[in-house]
Amino acid sequence: AQSVTQLGSHVSVSEGALVLLRCNYSSSVPPYLFWYVQYPNQGLQLLLKYTSAATLVKGINGFEAEFKKSETSFHLTKPSAHMSDAAEYFCAVSPSGSARQLTFGSGTQLTVLP
Amino acid sequence: EAGVTQSPTHLIKTRGQQATLRCSPISGHTSVYWYQQALGLGLQFLLWYDEGEERNRGNFPPRFSGRQFPNYSSELNVNALELEDSALYLCASSSRQLTNEKLFFGSGTQLSVL
Repeated sequence: AQSVTQLGSHVSVSEGALVLLRCNYSSSVPPYLFWYVQYPNQGLQLLLKYTSAATLVKGINGFEAEFKKSETSFHLTKPSAHMSDAAEYFCAVSPSGSARQLTFGSGTQLTVLP
Repeated sequence: EAGVTQSPTHLIKTRGQQATLRCSPISGHTSVYWYQQALGLGLQFLLWYDEGEERNRGNFPPRFSGRQFPNYSSELNVNALELEDSALYLCASSSRQLTNEKLFFGSGTQLSVL
């Protein structure tokens, strides 16, 4: 069975500060890992996806995530937060890379302070 | 190209009633997924339909059911509503490609059970 744990249900950063959203995974096979973002009153959008091609994955809107097998982590970062980044972020894992087998974390609500 | 559309946007029911939620996938997508997003619980996988058949279901009681129509649209039915069924219900669709599969989400139906 696979699972992801997102540490911190709420994270607040100042505009221009570093964004760090934490995700740890549990998997018996090499995992495929995803980050999704949900803006208010909208569905989820794919930010980035790790498929073992490279440990550092760059996504949309300046976000990136680094796969660290030794730490079983896939944390999401952005060097400088923007007000428009305020949203809920979900980490997800799949054993095959297929969307049909996604297991989501409980989400982290990011607040960006002016 | 139209995205995944869900209706209604909001639905208010009382305990014991039935709720019907609808989803239209992106044109050309044959798979439809339903998720429940309850407050503080993240996304929980409910059901997966592909080519008109139920392919998988999550850990939910049988009063959660659905179907997929020949045009690949889908309905989620929740019978004998309970207060804890109050949540945002998200529908997602994907194509049948097995590689690089990506989920596209709708904006959801907010179900409130009073």
